[in-house]
Amino acid sequence: DAGVTQSPTHLIKTRGQQVTLRCSPISGHKSVSWYQQVLGQGPQFIFQYYEKEERGRGNFPDRFSARQFPNYSSELNVNALLLGDSALYLCASSPSLWGNQPQHFGDGTRLSIL
Amino acid sequence: LAKTTQPISMDSYEGQEVNITCSHNNIATNDYITWYQQFPSQGPRFIIQGYKTKVTNEVASLFIPADRKSSTLSLPRVSLSDTAVYYCLVGAGGSQGNLIFGKGTKLSVKP
Repeated sequence: DAGVTQSPTHLIKTRGQQVTLRCSPISGHKSVSWYQQVLGQGPQFIFQYYEKEERGRGNFPDRFSARQFPNYSSELNVNALLLGDSALYLCASSPSLWGNQPQHFGDGTRLSIL
Repeated sequence: LAKTTQPISMDSYEGQEVNITCSHNNIATNDYITWYQQFPSQGPRFIIQGYKTKVTNEVASLFIPADRKSSTLSLPRVSLSDTAVYYCLVGAGGSQGNLIFGKGTKLSVKP
């Protein structure tokens, strides 16, 4: 079975631009979460979506937004990019919101801001 | 959300058993304990999850004492390919979306 897939794998943008990252969850998984991982740190939670509704938001500015589609895939949008947005953006999926169903991660999108 | 404390780094040699202990004093009744492994430039990979006592799968064992305030990930007979960062997480029951990752434990396996 296919795991969580993310696209693109790498992306280079300049300050002030906008970017859209995409995620396809494992088949049958209805929950998608987004994380930002800066070099040397653990992933930081950005958003969680379940059944197309936002179910959680981390401590990130309004420049970050996301949505989930009827097929449970998801997009993360970041506007007005800053140098500090350079990071590995990870998507994770799980069947539901329940604690005994662990999240499974994709390999991320490496975003570099010049 | 319960926070976790684990060693920043550990060293081991090939063929040894490695035990990584994680402290989570404020774990809630309905929280599960989950461990992930991460290699550079890859996403975290699920290793094992448990609620109490002992859980074993094909790659690791997880030991959880009765008070659940700590847990120990046991990796039998490690190899060079087990060199990675290992994260211990405690998930909020009912919603795991906002997992809190610490810095993890960087395990270095030497020949």
